[in-house]
Amino acid sequence: SQTIHQWPATLVQPVGSPLSLECTVEGTSNPNLYWYRQAAGRGLQLLFYSVGIGQISSEVPQNLSASRPQDRQFILSSKKLLLSDSGFYLCAWSVRLNQPQHFGDGTRLSIL
Amino acid sequence: GQQLNQSPQSMFIQEGEDVSMNCTSSSIFNTWLWYKQDPGEGPVLLIALYKAGELTSNGRLTAQFGITRKDSFLNISASIPSDVGIYFCAGRENSGGYQKVTFGIGTKLQVIP
Repeated sequence: SQTIHQWPATLVQPVGSPLSLECTVEGTSNPNLYWYRQAAGRGLQLLFYSVGIGQISSEVPQNLSASRPQDRQFILSSKKLLLSDSGFYLCAWSVRLNQPQHFGDGTRLSIL
Repeated sequence: GQQLNQSPQSMFIQEGEDVSMNCTSSSIFNTWLWYKQDPGEGPVLLIALYKAGELTSNGRLTAQFGITRKDSFLNISASIPSDVGIYFCAGRENSGGYQKVTFGIGTKLQVIP
């Protein structure tokens, strides 16, 4: 069966520091991968999605970037974090773009 | 742009009661999805709906894809304490060749024993 792993589960970072969140999927090949941010009391905002290695689409302009160095690995990064980057970051995968997305357990990011 | 309204935003119910929540959109979706999120965890898919008028059950949960393709509801029957959580609807539409998914802001459900 397919599983998705995100780490770390919780992260506290100072303003201006870099960020790297990692997500990996097991049990499937060539998944579609997604990064979402969930602000407190808000819905899920799609940040990036990827349909294949090295293919990244950005949904909103922001301080973050994403990369997909391997088929089942999706990384969310920032060179310099802002206070507004705080939130709950979720990685998700789907077999195809028109199939339901399945989420990881998320990373709680707090910027101080 | 696409607007997805989910209601209610929060509700308290007594254990054993039925509960209903719904989502409406400003445009047509080709898929409706319902997720549940427990605190500190990622959303878990409950039900996926692919056809207008489709009515699907998953245990005590029932969801329907509205005939107009602009709305969906989720019903939970005989609620239990573990039903507590945030329920999200999500709709999928074709957007420039990409299957864009839009999420509602969630319905926070509290069950009183």
